[in-house]
Amino acid sequence: GQQLNQSPQSMFIQEGEDVSMNCTSSSIFNTWLWYKQDPGEGPVLLIALYKAGELTSNGRLTAQFGITRKDSFLNISASIPSDVGIYFCAGIPNNAGNMLTFGGGTRLMVKP
Amino acid sequence: DAGVIQSPRHEVTEMGQEVTLRCKPISGHNSLFWYRQTMMRGLELLIYFNNNVPIDDSGMPEDRFSAKMPNASFSTLKIQPSEPRDSAVYFCASSFGVNEQFFGPGTRLTVL
Repeated sequence: GQQLNQSPQSMFIQEGEDVSMNCTSSSIFNTWLWYKQDPGEGPVLLIALYKAGELTSNGRLTAQFGITRKDSFLNISASIPSDVGIYFCAGIPNNAGNMLTFGGGTRLMVKP
Repeated sequence: DAGVIQSPRHEVTEMGQEVTLRCKPISGHNSLFWYRQTMMRGLELLIYFNNNVPIDDSGMPEDRFSAKMPNASFSTLKIQPSEPRDSAVYFCASSFGVNEQFFGPGTRLTVL
């Protein structure tokens, strides 16, 4: 099946720092989504991207749909303690209807 | 504005018992997804319904797992008989068409 490689697997940063994580695939994706999961909860959608090259912001979050359609990144600016959690990229491969493929997640830990 | 509703939130049962997980998708959504999340395997898609019809069940682990969607507002995932290796968090998600999926809070299943 389709594989999404998400990196880094975990990050431990200082409050106030910017964060960057990305997902790559060997196949073309039509849609990229970024989710955040807090402990004991389901993933919550942060940003959705539908067009190659699209750059979208949601508060301190910015995500881009790679021009090759094989990658996406998520940036968090000026991190705060509540940014702690696991961030997942997810994508809908070409010809996959609306079935999502998930990356392995990036665990973000912020030092206050 | 109600999101995806799942019940129960926690289930502890003994090996061999039948387990039924329930999901109410967001009103108006026509696609429903069941996922399983474990530390080892991450988020795995089990089955996907569109307009109440199962479209892809290739992720269902084995015959002990079954899912139904009798109407647009209700779905069940049943495990019979349950085994310890079924212990995981099970998520239901819904979407409208080929759009972003919204996840429920999950059911944490422990099979002793």
